Amino acid sequence: EAQVTQNPRYLITVTGKKLTVTCSQNMNHEYMSWYRQDPGLGLRQIYYSMNVEVTDKGDVPEGYKVSRKEKRNFPLILESPSPNQTSLYFCASSPRPSGNTIYFGEGSWLTVV
Amino acid sequence: AQSVTQLDSHVSVSEGTPVLLRCNYSSSYSPSLFWYVQHPNKGLQLLLKYTSAATLVKGINGFEAEFKKSETSFHLTKPSAHMSDAAEYFCVVRPLGWGGGNKLTFGTGTQLKVEL
Repeated sequence: EAQVTQNPRYLITVTGKKLTVTCSQNMNHEYMSWYRQDPGLGLRQIYYSMNVEVTDKGDVPEGYKVSRKEKRNFPLILESPSPNQTSLYFCASSPRPSGNTIYFGEGSWLTVV
Repeated sequence: AQSVTQLDSHVSVSEGTPVLLRCNYSSSYSPSLFWYVQHPNKGLQLLLKYTSAATLVKGINGFEAEFKKSETSFHLTKPSAHMSDAAEYFCVVRPLGWGGGNKLTFGTGTQLKVEL
C-alpha cells in the first residue's frame, strides 16, 4: 500500500530540547516536502527536496532543518524548539511530474511548552 | 510566483442543498490545481485535480470543479450536501511544468458546515 508515514504522531516537548520528526515514503518518489498547518493560515511549506541530497527552503524555514540522505526518508529536525513551533506538521511526497497527486502523511501534532 | 485565495473562510449549507467553495489562483506558470479535504483530526485526502486536460474535473464523493483560465478560478461544487461533507477544504496550486520548483501553495482553507 502506498504510504507516507510520519513519526511521532503526537509529541509534547520542552523548549530547547532537540527533536526529529521522521517521514518515510514507500513509492520511490523523488519529491518530498514538509508543511505546517496553523489555524487560519492553511498549510505553509517549510522545506522541500527534489531528490537525494537536494533540499531547499520553503516559505517558513526558520528554526527547522532537513536532510535527504536516502530517497525514502526526509526527516524534519527542530534543533531548539520554541513554543511558536507548536503546530500540526505534514510530510508529503510525489513523483517527478508536477501534475501528479501529492501524497500526505497523517500529520504530527507537536506541542512545545 | 503563485498564490491561492479561498474567498470564504466558512460556508454553511443545509443538507441536500448545493455546495459552492470558491478558489481563485495566480501563477506565473501553467498550473496544476487540486482540492483536498481534511476531516477533524484527520490527514488530507485528495478530492480532485486539474492537470491541463478537461476543464471540468470530477472527483470523489460527488464533488467536481471547473478550471476557468479567464477568471483564474477553480471553484468546488457538489449538487447535494451530506452531513459527512462537513470538513475543511483546501485549494492547492502547483506549477504544471518544472517551473517554480514544484512548489505547492495552499489556500487558507474553507470550513464547510452542513446543517440538518
